[in-house]
Amino acid sequence: NAGVTQTPKFQVLKTGQSMTLQCAQDMNHNSMYWYRQDPGMGLRLIYYSASEGTTDKGEVPNGYNVSRLNKREFSLRLESAAPSQTSVYFCASSEVWGQYYGYTFGSGTRLTVV
Amino acid sequence: AQTVTQSQPEMSVQEAETVTLSCTYDTSESDYYLFWYKQPPSRQMILVIRQEAYKQQNATENRFSVNFQKAAKSFSLKISDSQLGDAAMYFCAYRSQAAGNKLTFGGGTRVLVKP
Repeated sequence: NAGVTQTPKFQVLKTGQSMTLQCAQDMNHNSMYWYRQDPGMGLRLIYYSASEGTTDKGEVPNGYNVSRLNKREFSLRLESAAPSQTSVYFCASSEVWGQYYGYTFGSGTRLTVV
Repeated sequence: AQTVTQSQPEMSVQEAETVTLSCTYDTSESDYYLFWYKQPPSRQMILVIRQEAYKQQNATENRFSVNFQKAAKSFSLKISDSQLGDAAMYFCAYRSQAAGNKLTFGGGTRVLVKP
């Protein structure tokens, strides 16, 4: 099925460990996004990539890095995980010109940092 | 910066009845889009309904309808004939070209459906 694929679905890290969350979309969308979801705060934008070759900070970028590997793939890296990064992470994609369209979301990654 | 506020953390509704979720937003732009997303326990984000700011007519999708009040910057979602499968978190979201086409979300409202 066409859509956004995120891996892994669950992960437990120790404080200070690093990891990369992978995201791939097969809809030929130009724009991709990483959000984190915390209780009562909705989804907050971490980083986004408006098009291949570009990345920009969102609302909560500290402690994260991203790579737009190609048009399909957009990864999120935690270099030194902290308990405050315990959250559910969503990747999404969309067409940049189509404001009318919402985003297509992946199924999320539940990350726990102990 | 645009902000989206959902003032109801949780709403409860009897099966087959109607519930209305509130959403307000703050923007200085005139051209934008508003969305309601549903997030069931599976965690998947599902687009429920969307509204273009330049359209005065309220959007409707089957049992879901919105009341869009542009001057008041209000965008409420009405769920009619509630079903058990409507139980979920609901998020209001805003998007505009001037804001870089990024979606800005409210904090969410949990809907409980009583049988």
